[in-house]
Amino acid sequence: QVQLVQSGTQVKKPGASVKVSCKASGYTFTNYGISWVRQAPGQGLEWMGWISTSNGYTYYTQKFQGRVTLSTDTSTSTADMELRSLRSDDTAVYYCARDLDIVVATAVDYWGQGTLVTVSS
Amino acid sequence: EIVLTQSPDTLSLSPGERATLSCRASQSVSSSFLAWYQQKLGQAPRLLMYGTSVRATDIPDRFSGSGSGTDFTLTISRLEPEDFAVYYCQQYGRSPITFGQGTRLEIK
Repeated sequence: QVQLVQSGTQVKKPGASVKVSCKASGYTFTNYGISWVRQAPGQGLEWMGWISTSNGYTYYTQKFQGRVTLSTDTSTSTADMELRSLRSDDTAVYYCARDLDIVVATAVDYWGQGTLVTVSS
Repeated sequence: EIVLTQSPDTLSLSPGERATLSCRASQSVSSSFLAWYQQKLGQAPRLLMYGTSVRATDIPDRFSGSGSGTDFTLTISRLEPEDFAVYYCQQYGRSPITFGQGTRLEIK
């Protein structure tokens, strides 16, 4: 069965960086893109960006341009999201999710369990 | 960017009733690239519908989606106890992908 398993909870200080990993299994990793979505406490969903697992092409929303890097390791079927220059309003649950497509970002059909990142001094 | 506005913010209904959730876009959503998700407390969202009206895998047929252009609807024909949750619409026809603010479906 399709599974996306994310790395665990992290606590970071303002200005630091965080990397969240997402290991995929149960399907051919390079046939589907990966999107990253975050959710601040008690808030809605916010799409951050997308990576093509076949060629590494990335798309980031303007809000996160310059602060986020998405990457993949096809040998381990893992996708990573690194967010830099953390602020308190980056405190959120971060999700990786499998896209329905590989060419462009679309809807997502499988989600990781989420990783809570807390930014606090 | 396309702003999605969902209504109502909260919908209070009883099991067995029909639920109608609305999602309005600030610009036309191309090719009906509109999806719906359900999220229960403490869980990741679950894909319900994509392409406006295509049910995702294992989604029961009491869920249906409709609409075009700027107005989209998710209908749950007869509410089951497990349907009470928060619902989000998402457009993926134009970058950046955006979500609505959510509709909370609560038991009356």
